[in-house]
Amino acid sequence: EIVMTQSPGTLSVSPGERATLSCRASQSVSSNLAWYQQKPGQAPRLLIHGASTRATGIPARFSGSGSGTEFTLTISSLQSEDFAVYYCQQYNNWPPWTFGQGTKVEIK
Amino acid sequence: QLQLQESGPGLVKPSETLSLTCTVSGGSISGSSYYWGWIRQPPGKGLEWIGSIYYSGSIYYNPSLKSRVTMSVDTSKNQFSLNLSSVTAADTAVYYCSSAVYYFDYWGQGTLVTVSS
Repeated sequence: EIVMTQSPGTLSVSPGERATLSCRASQSVSSNLAWYQQKPGQAPRLLIHGASTRATGIPARFSGSGSGTEFTLTISSLQSEDFAVYYCQQYNNWPPWTFGQGTKVEIK
Repeated sequence: QLQLQESGPGLVKPSETLSLTCTVSGGSISGSSYYWGWIRQPPGKGLEWIGSIYYSGSIYYNPSLKSRVTMSVDTSKNQFSLNLSSVTAADTAVYYCSSAVYYFDYWGQGTLVTVSS
């Protein structure tokens, strides 16, 4: 099973600033990585797949990069609606599909 | 656009079987290349994939739950289902149904299932 590790656990950022979230895989997942956003009381929402392809309707301020074992989600200028928990997920070796433990982006 | 909706009891007794159904609208379960899956989230914790099923019958389960999980598809009702047997308090979670090619692009709103006597 591939273990996904996200850092930091919590990221405190001011509105308008850049946020950089990391995700590491225990072995290579190529570019088969997705990012999700989850707000309280809501289901996760797909943001990025293929490590860097934005899902339909996702604003351009969200960008993903990386391949192999190291990945980054960048939010270029945080808006109030971006404060949430973010999860990465690998789909290179399955089953099982595996998620990271999440990074909470909170208002500084 | 696909829409998914979970349904089932919100309270299950320990040692009993948790049963949930996901109804799909906006598309046919058998008319796409999606895997139909279940993911759960214990209160305050992260996401755990439970299992995924293809309409033709291919099924994948999380090895950590495999001995207790059964999934099925009813194409006539455009639904798929989850059974989780011998539940304990550790199975208390929000259960989501989702569609996936390989990543999970459509999700239900989730349903909280509490295991308690």
